[in-house]
Amino acid sequence: SQTIHQWPATLVQPVGSPLSLECTVEGTSNPNLYWYRQAAGRGLQLLFYSVGIGQISSEVPQNLSASRPQDRQFILSSKKLLLSDSGFYLCAWSVTSDNEQFFGPGTRLTVL
Amino acid sequence: GQNIDQPTEMTATEGAIVQINCTYQTSGFNGLFWYQQHAGEAPTFLSYNVLDGLEEKGRFSSFLSRSKGYSYLLLKELQMKDSASYLCASYNFNKFYFGSGTKLNVKP
Repeated sequence: SQTIHQWPATLVQPVGSPLSLECTVEGTSNPNLYWYRQAAGRGLQLLFYSVGIGQISSEVPQNLSASRPQDRQFILSSKKLLLSDSGFYLCAWSVTSDNEQFFGPGTRLTVL
Repeated sequence: GQNIDQPTEMTATEGAIVQINCTYQTSGFNGLFWYQQHAGEAPTFLSYNVLDGLEEKGRFSSFLSRSKGYSYLLLKELQMKDSASYLCASYNFNKFYFGSGTKLNVKP
């Protein structure tokens, strides 16, 4: 069966510090991968999606970046965090681009 | 964005039926998903509509009208554990666009 992992589960970082969140998927090949952010009490905002290794599409301009160094690994990064980067970060995968998405457990990031 | 609109919050009684509406922008539309999200947790998939009509899965049903850009999620025989946020998401051109979610409060 397929599983999706995210770590860390929670993170508290100072403003201006770097960020690296990792997401890995098991049990499937060549998944579509997604990064979302959810602010408190808000909906999910799509940040990045990837249909293959090295292929990243960015949805919104911001100080975040994403990389896919391996087929089932998706990384969200920032060189300098802002207060507004606080939120619940969710990684998701789907088998094909028009199929349901399965979400990871999420990382709750607090920037102080 | 894709202008996904759904009510912010709803309250219903245990055992009752509740309908959560969602409207979306129809250009480039390929499908409509509903997810359930309990506080502090990741969303979990509930249903998917790509054609017009009603899809039933146990106590949950979802309806789609593509010409009207409209969907609803119907929850029957409400249980306390159904208290959660319900997210509507449209699928367009490889991307999912989520609404802000409807927080459902189920009261005894």
